[in-house]
Amino acid sequence: AQTVTQSQPEMSVQEAETVTLSCTYDTSESDYYLFWYKQPPSRQMILVIRQEAYKQQNATENRFSVNFQKAAKSFSLKISDSQLGDAAMYFCAYRSATQASYDKVIFGPGTSLSVIP
Amino acid sequence: DGGITQSPKYLFRKEGQNVTLSCEQNLNHDAMYWYRQDPGQGLRLIYYSQIVNDFQKGDIAEGYSVSREKKESFPLTVTSAQKNPTAFYLCASSITGGRADTQYFGPGTRLTVL
Repeated sequence: AQTVTQSQPEMSVQEAETVTLSCTYDTSESDYYLFWYKQPPSRQMILVIRQEAYKQQNATENRFSVNFQKAAKSFSLKISDSQLGDAAMYFCAYRSATQASYDKVIFGPGTSLSVIP
Repeated sequence: DGGITQSPKYLFRKEGQNVTLSCEQNLNHDAMYWYRQDPGQGLRLIYYSQIVNDFQKGDIAEGYSVSREKKESFPLTVTSAQKNPTAFYLCASSITGGRADTQYFGPGTRLTVL
């Protein structure tokens, strides 16, 4: 079964600085999707960024980018120019592209990010 | 605006009662999901449905029930058989078919057992 691990329960970053959140996963599949979701104090889950495993190019969305290392099964999120609004819980998630388990999304335990003014 | 709505935002239940959490989406998504979130933990899948009148159990379905009579609605009933129902419940939806289907979430319902 697939698992997702986030080894940093809490992290902090100074405003305007860069921070990297770690995520590793375990799977025997070759085709899958990876996601980072943000959950601010409002508890609304918001998609931050998505990566398809068959793409070698790392996904980027404005100040958010990922470092996808397929062989190492690593999927880290880099937040550049951190803002106070980035303070939230961040969840890494894995979704199979195999038809049999397509609807199963596996979430990591989350990393709580604080932004220091 | 298109989106997912959940109601109520806060819900209180007495011991032995069944309660139903509402989830509605107007995104024309085929698939809908229910997750439970406990403090300091990630999301755990309760039930999901890919099409109307069909649904499957997730990892923690015991003590819960669902129905999918309409494409846009996927209510979750927390029954008295659920021993520890106090948690935050999130509903999500996605398109099916094709690749890279992303789940979109509602604002959640906080359920507390009194």
